[in-house]
Amino acid sequence: QQQVKQSPQSLIVQKGGISIINCAYENTAFDYFPWYQQFPGKGPALLIAIRPDVSEKKEGRFTISFNKSAKQFSLHIMDSQPGDSATYFCAATNAGGTSYGKLTFGQGTILTVHP
Amino acid sequence: NAGVTQTPKFQVLKTGQSMTLQCAQDMNHEYMSWYRQDPGMGLRLIHYSVGAGITDQGEVPNGYNVSRSTTEDFPLRLLSAAPSQTSVYFCASSYRGASNQPQHFGDGTRLSIL
Repeated sequence: QQQVKQSPQSLIVQKGGISIINCAYENTAFDYFPWYQQFPGKGPALLIAIRPDVSEKKEGRFTISFNKSAKQFSLHIMDSQPGDSATYFCAATNAGGTSYGKLTFGQGTILTVHP
Repeated sequence: NAGVTQTPKFQVLKTGQSMTLQCAQDMNHEYMSWYRQDPGMGLRLIHYSVGAGITDQGEVPNGYNVSRSTTEDFPLRLLSAAPSQTSVYFCASSYRGASNQPQHFGDGTRLSIL
C-alpha cells in the first residue's frame, strides 16, 4: 500500500521555468513532510521540509505548499536551472516518539531542465 | 567528517548466497535505517534502529537481518539472496528527538542477484 503518492513520474522543464511536483498522503498521523533531492549515483539529500501548521515554506527558489484538508503538498522550483536536474522524492513521517525517521517516500519524479 | 559510509558500492551475487552490506556513521546519531530503492517505488524501509541493541522491522523486512552492537555501525545481512532483492540499498542516520533533524543518507550499494 503506497501511503504517499507522487506525480508526475517525470518532468521536463525549460531553463527559467517553474517545476511543480505533487504529493498526496493518506495517513493523518503524518506531521512532518520533507522533500529529498537525489543526483545520479548519490544518496538522497534533504532539500526542504514543512510541518502541517503552516501552509507554505520557502527557501530560495524552492517552495513547499501544504493543504492539510486535502492531504496534499507540492514542491515548486522557481527559475529552474539545469543543475536542478535530479530525482525528487516527497516523504512523510510521524515525527514524534519512535516513529521519527521512519520515512514513507513517494515514488519519485525525474526532473530534467533543458538549457 | 565522513558522514554515512556504505560498503561495498557494487556487488553481484548468485541466488542463494549470503552477504553483509556495511554501514557506518561518524556523527554519533542514535537513529539508523536501511532502505531499498526500486524504479517507480521510491525508497522503502527495510529495518531501523533507535540505538545500540535496539532494532525493529520496517515495511519490507523479509529476507534481511540487522543488528546494532555499536552506535556507529548498522550492517544489513541478506540471508539467502534472491533475484527480487536486486536493488539499490541506502543506509541513513539521524539524531532522535527534534523533527527538524534531517536524515543523512549514504551513497548506496548497488546489488545484483543473478
